[in-house]
Amino acid sequence: AQSVTQPDIHITVSEGASLELRCNYSYGATPYLFWYVQSPGQGLQLLLKYFSGDTLVQGIKGFEAEFKRSQSSFNLRKPSVHWSDAAEYFCAVGRTGTASKLTFGTGTRLQVTL
Amino acid sequence: NAGVTQTPKFQVLKTGQSMTLQCAQDMNHNSMYWYRQDPGMGLRLIYYSASEGTTDKGEVPNGYNVSRLNKREFSLRLESAAPSQTSVYFCASSPRRGLPGDTQYFGPGTRLTVL
Repeated sequence: AQSVTQPDIHITVSEGASLELRCNYSYGATPYLFWYVQSPGQGLQLLLKYFSGDTLVQGIKGFEAEFKRSQSSFNLRKPSVHWSDAAEYFCAVGRTGTASKLTFGTGTRLQVTL
Repeated sequence: NAGVTQTPKFQVLKTGQSMTLQCAQDMNHNSMYWYRQDPGMGLRLIYYSASEGTTDKGEVPNGYNVSRLNKREFSLRLESAAPSQTSVYFCASSPRRGLPGDTQYFGPGTRLTVL
């Protein structure tokens, strides 16, 4: 069965600093990979997704992620964090050949200090 | 265009009570999903409906039932609520019939407390 690991439960960065959120997945074939963001009290919003092609994926709000098959990773990055980026971030993997069922990681809560 | 809407936003139940969580989408999506979110556990799929007229179990279906009433609406029912069902419930939809690369669009959630 597939699984997703987000090793960092909570990260604090200063506004303007760079950000990298880690995501490792376990899946036998090429996975469908997603990053979602959840602002406080809100539902989840898609930041970006990957399932083929260029391994560096651009998303909304200035985020990008890089798929590294050799490391089973799909880390999320942003060059300069804004205070409004404070939220919880979820990595998810979807399986091929089945309905759109996603397996989510446990999330990383990002705090931004001014 | 409201996207995915959920009612109610908050609910408190006593153990053994029943209730139905409502979800509707106005994006003409084929697939719909129910998740629960618990601290430190991410989101877990309860049930999903790949298309109107079909429903299937997800990862944690015990204690729940669902109804895909029509293409727009997908309800989640707790027949006899238990404290372990205290959680935040999210409904989501995706455009196509259960394709794994489809983006899921989420509602704002229902916060349920079972005493």
